[in-house]
Amino acid sequence: KAGVTQTPRYLIKTRGQQVTLSCSPISGHRSVSWYQQTPGQGLQFLFEYFSETQRNKGNFPGRFSGRQFSNSRSEMNVSTLELGDSALYLCASRFVTTDTQYFGPGTRLTVL
Amino acid sequence: QQQVKQSPQSLIVQKGGIPIINCAYENTAFDYFPWYQQFPGKGPALLIAIRPDVSEKKEGRFTISFNKSAKQFSLHIMDSQPGDSATYFCAASKGNAGNMLTFGGGTRLMVKP
Repeated sequence: KAGVTQTPRYLIKTRGQQVTLSCSPISGHRSVSWYQQTPGQGLQFLFEYFSETQRNKGNFPGRFSGRQFSNSRSEMNVSTLELGDSALYLCASRFVTTDTQYFGPGTRLTVL
Repeated sequence: QQQVKQSPQSLIVQKGGIPIINCAYENTAFDYFPWYQQFPGKGPALLIAIRPDVSEKKEGRFTISFNKSAKQFSLHIMDSQPGDSATYFCAASKGNAGNMLTFGGGTRLMVKP
């Protein structure tokens, strides 16, 4: 069974631009979460989607948003990029009846 | 507010040694405690997880010890190998809170041959 896939793997943007990252969960997993990983702040929860609905949201500004499609694929969007948004963005999926989350390889975003 | 504190930040052991990584949590509502291993350029991979109703869990060379009264849990890696060199994260979540894992700061482990 294929793992969680994320595209693109690397992105370079400039301040003020916006970016969209994509995540395809493991087949059968309907819950998708996003995390931001930085050297300074570590791994921080962004939001979780299940059945196209956002169930939880972390402490991030409104510039960070996401959505989930009927096939469980998810996208996250960051608008008006800031230098501090440079990070590894990780997507994780799971069966809703279990707690085990499976992470993708991440998208490395660099904001110049 | 950091709800899961992890120590040490880095650890060096010789091959065959038993590195121990500790985590402490604040929120007594947490009821699921996983450990993840992350290699450079990769996403975190689940190693082992425990719930508060047991004090110890073993899977292969990895053991979690859990102390509910002290709100602490730790990871032991038996017979460590150079291939175990990675960053380890503890995490915690609340039941019915979906996917919201709260992570510790991570421990960079190096196992010397």
